[in-house]
Amino acid sequence: EVQLVESGGGLVQPGRSLRLSCAASGFTFDDYAMHWVRQAPGKGLEWVSGISWNSGTIAYADSVKGRFTISRDNAKNSLYLQMNSLRTEDTAMYFCAKGNSFRYFEYWGQGTLVTVSS
Amino acid sequence: QSALTQPASVSGSRGQSITISCTGTSSDVGGYNYVSWYQQHPGKAPKLLIYDVFNRPSGVSNRFSGSKSGNTASLTISGLQAEDETDYYCSSYTSSSTPVIFGGGTKLTVV
Repeated sequence: EVQLVESGGGLVQPGRSLRLSCAASGFTFDDYAMHWVRQAPGKGLEWVSGISWNSGTIAYADSVKGRFTISRDNAKNSLYLQMNSLRTEDTAMYFCAKGNSFRYFEYWGQGTLVTVSS
Repeated sequence: QSALTQPASVSGSRGQSITISCTGTSSDVGGYNYVSWYQQHPGKAPKLLIYDVFNRPSGVSNRFSGSKSGNTASLTISGLQAEDETDYYCSSYTSSSTPVIFGGGTKLTVV
């Protein structure tokens, strides 16, 4: 059974940093692209960032480019999102998702909530 | 880049069929057969319903089907059931600097 468990969310002040983690199990992690997708309270889904199986392809949404960094550790079956210079508009539930390349998202975690507020 | 365009809401009666549209451009929906659809119940993670325009993952009911014409993709749900009442999102690969884009979401009401 595929499991994706996010952690690292919380309340943070604007301008500060936060690092999210996603622990994966139930599939061969280093065979698949992984992604972060977020959802602001009461709003729709927004793709944030994706990384290919070998970290050779990395992409970001324009809204986070230059502030967020995605990475993965295939030895630990883990995905990460380093979020710097956080803004109030970054407040959202952040979902980790197993991707079929950048075509679609097969499985999703339950999410971790990030709240950016002073 | 703007989100794909979905109707904010649709409704249908139990047992009927409804279609949710997802309109983009030739740089996303119209340019690639990489449209996917997701169902999301309140407080839950999204679930993949359709991938690559019309393919269904194993375990997804055949009441859900997908199609595409030009720059518009569609999700059809037949034999509406009460548990279908929730939010639906489309997504597409794009040729822009942001390679993945979602629609704004559609709330389905089953009356």
